[in-house]
Amino acid sequence: ETGVTQTPRHLVMGMTNKKSLKCEQHLGHNAMYWYKQSAKKPLELMFVYNFKEQTENNSVPSRFSPECPNSSHLFLHLHTLQPEDSALYLCASSIPTSYNEQFFGPGTRLTVL
Amino acid sequence: AQTVTQSQPEMSVQEAETVTLSCTYDTSESDYYLFWYKQPPSRQMILVIRQEAYKQQNATENRFSVNFQKAAKSFSLKISDSQLGDAAMYFCAYKRGGSEKLVFGKGTKLTVNP
Repeated sequence: ETGVTQTPRHLVMGMTNKKSLKCEQHLGHNAMYWYKQSAKKPLELMFVYNFKEQTENNSVPSRFSPECPNSSHLFLHLHTLQPEDSALYLCASSIPTSYNEQFFGPGTRLTVL
Repeated sequence: AQTVTQSQPEMSVQEAETVTLSCTYDTSESDYYLFWYKQPPSRQMILVIRQEAYKQQNATENRFSVNFQKAAKSFSLKISDSQLGDAAMYFCAYKRGGSEKLVFGKGTKLTVNP
C-alpha cells in the first residue's frame, strides 16, 4: 500500500464503548496529525506528533487519547464519546520542511449514538 | 490568531469553462505559506497548489493557478478548462513559517456541469 491509510473507514459506537482509529503512512514521513472534520466547519487540528513526540494538543477533550508508537503509525483511542463527536476523522503525515506539505488519509467516518 | 475565510460555500461551472474560488486570510506574520487542497467525494484530501508568501510570482500547476495579492491578503484559485473530475470541496489553508499547524477555511463545494 502507498500513501496514508486509515482503518476502519466507518465506525458506529455507543457512548460507553471504547474503540480505536488507526492511521498508517508509507511515505517515510516524520510528522503525523489528527484532524476532525465536521459539517460546515473548518478542519480542526487535534494532535501533532513529530518523531513520535506529541508537539501539539489543540485543547482536545481527554476522551480522545492519541498514541504514536513509531513514525509510521498513529492511533486515536476513543472512550465515552458524545454524539457531537460524530465527524470525519482525518489523519495526515508530512516531512517537517519549511512548507510542510501534508498528505491526508481517506478518513474514518465516526457516528456516536 | 490567524483566520482563513472562504466566502463562497458553493460554486458551479460548465465543463471547459474557467472558475475562480476566493480566499482571504488574516495574519500579522511575514513568513507564511498558503495552500489549496481538494477533497473529492471519496474524501482523500490532496494538495492542489501552494504559494510561499515571499514569492511575488503566482504559483501555477497545469490548469490551476492562483492570484496571490499579499497586501489585500487574498489568495484565489483559478481553474481553467474545468473537467468533471474537478468537482470537489476546495479548502484554502494557511501555515505560518516554522509552524506545523494548518489553518483551514470552511471550504467551497465546486460542481462541474457537463
